Amino acid sequence: AQTVTQSQPEMSVQEAETVTLSCTYDTSESDYYLFWYKQPPSRQMILVIRQEAYKQQNATENRFSVNFQKAAKSFSLKISDSQLGDAAMYFCAYRFGGATNKLIFGTGTLLAVQP
Amino acid sequence: IAGITQAPTSQILAAGRRMTLRCTQDMRHNAMYWYRQDLGLGLRLIHYSNTAGTTGKGEVPDGYSVSRANTDDFPLTLASAVPSQTSVYFCASRRAPQGESPLHFGNGTRLTVT
Repeated sequence: AQTVTQSQPEMSVQEAETVTLSCTYDTSESDYYLFWYKQPPSRQMILVIRQEAYKQQNATENRFSVNFQKAAKSFSLKISDSQLGDAAMYFCAYRFGGATNKLIFGTGTLLAVQP
Repeated sequence: IAGITQAPTSQILAAGRRMTLRCTQDMRHNAMYWYRQDLGLGLRLIHYSNTAGTTGKGEVPDGYSVSRANTDDFPLTLASAVPSQTSVYFCASRRAPQGESPLHFGNGTRLTVT
C-alpha cells in the first residue's frame, strides 16, 4: 500500500529565510503524481506545486520549488524568501497515475514564520 | 465564481442523529471525493466517485454513505453519528479520475458529534 510520511510535525523559519519541508513516500508504481498543499488558518486547501514522476526536472512555482528524488522516494518542498503569509499547515500528497486515482496525504507540517 | 460549495460550514450534532453534508460543484468535474481531516492524521479518503452513477470506498468508509445522482452533487450521509466522526470534512473534485488535472477543494464542514 502506498504511504506518505512527513516527519516534521512543526517547523519555524525567519521571514526572508529559506526553509525545506520533508516528505517521503512508499510505492511500487512508476507512474504517479506528487503534490504539496497549503492549508492556512482559513482551512482552505491550496495547491502549491505538483510533480509528475516521469519528469526528471524539479517543479518550481515562484518561491516554491521541490527536490524530487525518485530513487530515494523523497519529495521535499523548499520555500525561499519566506513571507508571513506562508505560515500554514503543509501537506504532501501522492496520487497513483492509474485507475485508482486516490490521493493519499501525509500528516502535515505546521510552518511558523517569525517576523 | 466556479468552485465547490459545502454546506453547512459547521454543525453540532447529537450522537445517533442522521446528518447529510452537502457538496455541489459547478465545474462539471467528473470525479468527486470526500475526505476527513483529523489532527495528526492528515486527510483520509472516505468515499469517491469517478463519474455520475458510480461510487467507491476510500480508506475510512465505515459509518458513511454517498450517492452521485448527477455530475454536480455528491452528498455524504452519516446514518447514525458517533463522537469519533467529529472532524472537518472536505469535499473535492477533479475534471477526470486519471491524468494531471488538479484537485479542487471546498472550504470544509466542521462537524462535532456530542
